Amino acid sequence: DAMVIQNPRYQVTQFGKPVTLSCSQTLNHNVMYWYQQKSSQAPKLLFHYYDKDFNNEADTPDNFQSRRPNTSFCFLDIRSPGLGDAAMYLCATSRSGKSNQPQHFGDGTRLSIL
Amino acid sequence: DAKTTQPNSMESNEEEPVHLPCNHSTISGTDYIHWYRQLPSQGPEYVIHGLTSNVNNRMASLAIAEDRKSSTLILHRATLRDAAVYYCILFQAVSNYQLIWGAGTKLIIKP
Repeated sequence: DAMVIQNPRYQVTQFGKPVTLSCSQTLNHNVMYWYQQKSSQAPKLLFHYYDKDFNNEADTPDNFQSRRPNTSFCFLDIRSPGLGDAAMYLCATSRSGKSNQPQHFGDGTRLSIL
Repeated sequence: DAKTTQPNSMESNEEEPVHLPCNHSTISGTDYIHWYRQLPSQGPEYVIHGLTSNVNNRMASLAIAEDRKSSTLILHRATLRDAAVYYCILFQAVSNYQLIWGAGTKLIIKP
């Protein structure tokens, strides 16, 4: 089945140690998104790519960056994780990002900071 | 800014219909209404979306008020597997990439 796959499901890193989360998709969708979800809260959009065009949300910390080397893969880099960055990170895709299209989510990577 | 308001939680009995309400009084004419659900330890899953007319699919039905200021997600026959957090979301046409998420309703299904 076509899907959005996130690896790893659980990631533990040390305070200040860079970490990379990965996402791949077999849907061949143009748009890929990264969300942060903290406990008992709705997901919060960090940024998205439309093809190779990167779009950062205004309130996304500079600590968070992303790379999309090709259509299928997208990475979330956290340069110097702080305790407040512990959360579930969700990757999603959509065909063209239009408001009448659904987004398809992966099952997330839960990041813990020691 | 557009936003949605949902009850924090609801309970329902297994095999009975469930009506999940959502208020979105500041909706704009071109905003789509989306519903997603999130099971424990999983990513959100698309359920249904609509603009003005009521919509049906294999998972649920979406009833949209005539003035579009509210909507109701209907699960026709709830099962234990439907226990999840249900998010009512506005997808604004002017910002095609962003979903305006509500706080979500935790649906509890009693056997």
